[in-house]
Amino acid sequence: EDQVTQSPEALRLQEGESSSLNCSYTVSGLRGLFWYRQDPGKGPEFLFTLYSAGEEKEKERLKATLTKKESFLHITAPKPEDSATYLCAALPYGQNFVFGPGTRLSVLP
Amino acid sequence: DAMVIQNPRYQVTQFGKPVTLSCSQTLNHNVMYWYQQKSSQAPKLLFHYYDKDFNNEADTPDNFQSRRPNTSFCFLDIRSPGLGDAAMYLCATSRAPMLVNSLNTEAFFGQGTRLTVV
Repeated sequence: EDQVTQSPEALRLQEGESSSLNCSYTVSGLRGLFWYRQDPGKGPEFLFTLYSAGEEKEKERLKATLTKKESFLHITAPKPEDSATYLCAALPYGQNFVFGPGTRLSVLP
Repeated sequence: DAMVIQNPRYQVTQFGKPVTLSCSQTLNHNVMYWYQQKSSQAPKLLFHYYDKDFNNEADTPDNFQSRRPNTSFCFLDIRSPGLGDAAMYLCATSRAPMLVNSLNTEAFFGQGTRLTVV
């Protein structure tokens, strides 16, 4: 069965304290791996798509990487406005998106 | 400009009273999805349309129905809402990820409709 897990469930960082969020996936043939940011009470906002192991994408303080079994979202020198839930989703070939439960990130000033 | 628009943002309905949520898109995407998301949980796919073809998830209750009258609009109908149906309902669109050779398969979400059942 296709499955996506994320860790940690929640993460509290001080402003400027870099860290990484993990997304582990087990799918029958990965078509793409997606990262989203979700603010409370809002819909997920698309961040990145990764298609193959070794691929990296960057946007401001965020960098996403992909291996054959997991993806990492690295946050460098986070700011309070980076506080949100970060969702990852795997897209298996011929299937629909499989979402993980998310990591709730809090960045304290 | 918003590309996937959901209305209303907040909906309060009475137990058992039918309710309809709406979604529109300006992306001209083939696929439209409806997800249910409860607090601190992953979005759960209810069903999706690939063009006019309706695809229901096996565990989606019969209480939930959907209509897609044209490419731009999709509706979620909850025939007899129960207290357990209170959730955030998310509409999303994408190109056709099921096609092997299609690129840019990411899904774009609306802002969601928060449904409260009283």
